[in-house]
Amino acid sequence: DIQMTQSPSTLSASVGDRVTITCRASQSLSNWLAWYQQKPGKAPKLLIYKASSLQSGVPSRFSGRGSGTEFTLTISSLQPDDFAAYYCQHYNSQSLMHAFGQGTKLEIK
Amino acid sequence: QVQLQESGPGLVKPSQTLSLTCAVSGGSISSGGYSWSWIRQPPGKGLEWIGFVYYSGSTYYSPSLKSRATISIDTSKNQFSLNLSSVTAADTAVYYCARMDTGYANMFDYWGQGTLVTVSS
Repeated sequence: DIQMTQSPSTLSASVGDRVTITCRASQSLSNWLAWYQQKPGKAPKLLIYKASSLQSGVPSRFSGRGSGTEFTLTISSLQPDDFAAYYCQHYNSQSLMHAFGQGTKLEIK
Repeated sequence: QVQLQESGPGLVKPSQTLSLTCAVSGGSISSGGYSWSWIRQPPGKGLEWIGFVYYSGSTYYSPSLKSRATISIDTSKNQFSLNLSSVTAADTAVYYCARMDTGYANMFDYWGQGTLVTVSS
């Protein structure tokens, strides 16, 4: 199975900061890589799909990039609403299995 | 607007079977191009995919839960279900149902709000 490893596990930042979260895969991926935001007590919300496509309605300060084994989610200028947990997710179309990263908690500094 | 809603007991005894249903509204569960998943999240931890079902009834499971999980679909009721047998305290989690767009980008685009299931005697 493909393992997804996110870093860092916790990130402290301030409003206005630019932050980047990394998701590394144990083997090279197709670009079926998505990013989700989760706030306490809520279901995850899709932000990015196909590694770099912005989901409708998601602010443009969110961006994704990457290929192969390394993918990143960047928030260009943190807003108060962005402090949450973030997860990457990959769908392996060969094995028909999903894998999530362990998550990154973005905290207010 | 597609909506998913989980339902089922919030408390299950150890060794028993956990049973949840996800009702889908705003769209047909029989539409091609989607699969229907169960995902769980233990308190304070990350997301774990359990398995999914296609409208045809074909199912796929996480290897770690395959021996205990059964997902089924009822197209007449526009819903799908999860049974997880022989539960232990480690199965205590918020359980989410979600739709995956398999026709375009293989992402979970709609989620239920989640339901907490506690395994305790």
